[in-house]
Amino acid sequence: DVKVTQSSRYLVKRTGEKVFLECVQDMDHENMFWYRQDPGLGLRLIYFSYDVKMKEKGDIPEGYSVSREKKERFSLILESASTNQTSMYLCASSNIGRTTTDTQYFGPGTRLTVL
Amino acid sequence: GQNIDQPTEMTATEGAIVQINCTYQTSGFNGLFWYQQHAGEAPTFLSYNVLDGLEEKGRFSSFLSRSKGYSYLLLKELQMKDSASYLCAVPRGDSSYKLIFGSGTRLLVRP
Repeated sequence: DVKVTQSSRYLVKRTGEKVFLECVQDMDHENMFWYRQDPGLGLRLIYFSYDVKMKEKGDIPEGYSVSREKKERFSLILESASTNQTSMYLCASSNIGRTTTDTQYFGPGTRLTVL
Repeated sequence: GQNIDQPTEMTATEGAIVQINCTYQTSGFNGLFWYQQHAGEAPTFLSYNVLDGLEEKGRFSSFLSRSKGYSYLLLKELQMKDSASYLCAVPRGDSSYKLIFGSGTRLLVRP
């Protein structure tokens, strides 16, 4: 079974703090993703990584950065947390599909509150 | 552009059948995913359709019509534990690795 883990289920931070969210997958997947999920807005892609040290901006990258130094680990960084970054953050991973898109598997999520 | 539409909420009775619809517009089609997400938890994969027709997996079935840009998820013999959000997703036109998700349909199963 694919396992994607995230460093925290719940996190409370103050405005202006630097926040690190970590994600680890154990299936040797090439692709890793960070999403945020807000009521009525669905899942929105923040950043995507297709290989170690490789990354692409998603739909809402502003205020975020990422790091992928090892294949199994993908970190999301909030450089200076703001209240509008209060959200559920979901990490996912997938293999490179040979002919079609491969399934994304999600971690349990981190509910971040910025005060 | 690319867009996915799903109903926001549905209610059904335990033991009944419910159909959750999804319509999509995408440039280039590369399959459609359904995920289930219980409140406060991560989405879990339910099904993937790339060809037209119905695919059955136990109590859950998923249907796809590529010409109509339409899919549905059919849940039979509903159980209370089926109360969850159901997300429809399609790969983006610019990258088959990245998905666009619908906002999800929240299903409430009543006794």
